[in-house]
Amino acid sequence: GESVGLHLPTLSVQEGDNSIINCAYSNSASDYFIWYKQESGKGPQFIIDIRSNMDKRQGQRVTVLLNKTVKHLSLQIAATQPGDSAVYFCAESRDSGNTPLVFGKGTRLSVIA
Amino acid sequence: GAVVSQHPSRVICKSGTSVKIECRSLDFQATTMFWYRQFPKQSLMLMATSNEGSKATYEQGVEKDKFLINHASLTLSTLTVTSAHPEDSSFYICSARDQGNRYEQYFGPGTRLTVT
Repeated sequence: GESVGLHLPTLSVQEGDNSIINCAYSNSASDYFIWYKQESGKGPQFIIDIRSNMDKRQGQRVTVLLNKTVKHLSLQIAATQPGDSAVYFCAESRDSGNTPLVFGKGTRLSVIA
Repeated sequence: GAVVSQHPSRVICKSGTSVKIECRSLDFQATTMFWYRQFPKQSLMLMATSNEGSKATYEQGVEKDKFLINHASLTLSTLTVTSAHPEDSSFYICSARDQGNRYEQYFGPGTRLTVT
C-alpha cells in the first residue's frame, strides 16, 4: 500500500554538526510534503514544507530537499543544537494538500553535547 | 501563529467507561479537523477526518461506533472513545486545517488516554 518511510530510525550527531534526515515516499501522486518535529509527550510541530513544483526550500537553519525522480525527501538541520533533539516525521499529501497527511515512521535525532 | 488546543491533556478512566476529548482551533476557523492515534515509539496514524456539519470519514479499520466524532462548529471537534478498553490507551492528537489556507494543518498538543 501507500507508505512514507525513513531510511534511518535513529540518528546521533555532535552539537554544532549538520544533521540530515531522510524520507522515502512511494506515492508519485503526492504533491505536498511537510517535516514535523515531535518532542516527547507533545503534538507535532511544523518545521518546513515543500510543494512538488520545487526541489529545495530553506528556512531558518533548515533546508528541505525534494527529489521527485527517486521519490526522496530530506531535512537538513544546520549547526544542530541540543534543543533539536526530538523525533522527526515526514508527511505527504496529494491534491495540493487537500488529502489527509500520511506520516512516515519517524527518525529520532539525538544531539550529543 | 495558529493555535489548536486539546482537553484534557491527560485522562485515566476505567475499562468500560467513555471518554470525550475536545479539539479547538483558537484563532482560526477549521472546516476540517483530523484525529490521529499514536502508540509509543510509533508514528501518527490517521483515524478519521472530521468535517464541520457533516459525518466524519473514518479510515479503514477504525470503528465509527466506538470512536464517535462530532464537529458541530468551525472551532470545535470532539472524539468520544466509548466503552474504553486497555488497548485503547494511546496518545490522541488532533489537527485542524485553516479554512483560509488549505495547505496548513495545525496540531494540538495531544491527549494521553490511559484505560485501567
